[in-house]
Amino acid sequence: SQTIHQWPATLVQPVGSPLSLECTVEGTSNPNLYWYRQAAGRGLQLLFYSVGIGQISSEVPQNLSASRPQDRQFILSSKKLLLSDSGFYLCAWSVPARGHEKLFFGSGTQLSVL
Amino acid sequence: AQSVTQLDSHVSVSEGTPVLLRCNYSSSYSPSLFWYVQHPNKGLQLLLKYTSAATLVKGINGFEAEFKKSETSFHLTKPSAHMSDAAEYFCVVSISGGYNKLIFGAGTRLAVHP
Repeated sequence: SQTIHQWPATLVQPVGSPLSLECTVEGTSNPNLYWYRQAAGRGLQLLFYSVGIGQISSEVPQNLSASRPQDRQFILSSKKLLLSDSGFYLCAWSVPARGHEKLFFGSGTQLSVL
Repeated sequence: AQSVTQLDSHVSVSEGTPVLLRCNYSSSYSPSLFWYVQHPNKGLQLLLKYTSAATLVKGINGFEAEFKKSETSFHLTKPSAHMSDAAEYFCVVSISGGYNKLIFGAGTRLAVHP
């Protein structure tokens, strides 16, 4: 069966420090991968999506970047964190298909930038 | 452009009473609509989805939602609330086209009291 792992679960980082959040998927090949962010009091916002290795699309301009070095690995990074980067980050995957395929979410990372 | 509005940020009900979580959407064409639930310290879980089949959609845990095109609504209901239903609920519109982009509402926090 397919599983998605996301870590760490919680992270407290000072302003200006780097960030690396990792997400891996097991049990499937060539998934679509996504990074979402949930800011306090707001819905989830799509940050990045990837349809293949090295293929990254950004939905909103921001201080973050994403990379997909392997088929089932998706990394969210920042060189220098801002206070506004605080939030709940969710990795997700789906099987590429026509129409509206189901998204499967990881358990999330609560990031606090102080 | 697609958008989702959840009309209540907080809903509080007594155990055993009905639940109504309201959602209105805006879409330039026939949308796919979803309800996701987020329990504390857990990832998002799909409750139910509407994809242009039956307008009354039944989901897990006794939840259902009715798609009303004339009202552009997709309200989530449950006849009798259970304590375990306490969670954050998101109404979601999907945009297809090579990847699965979801537009999330701001969320409704459901509290269930004994």
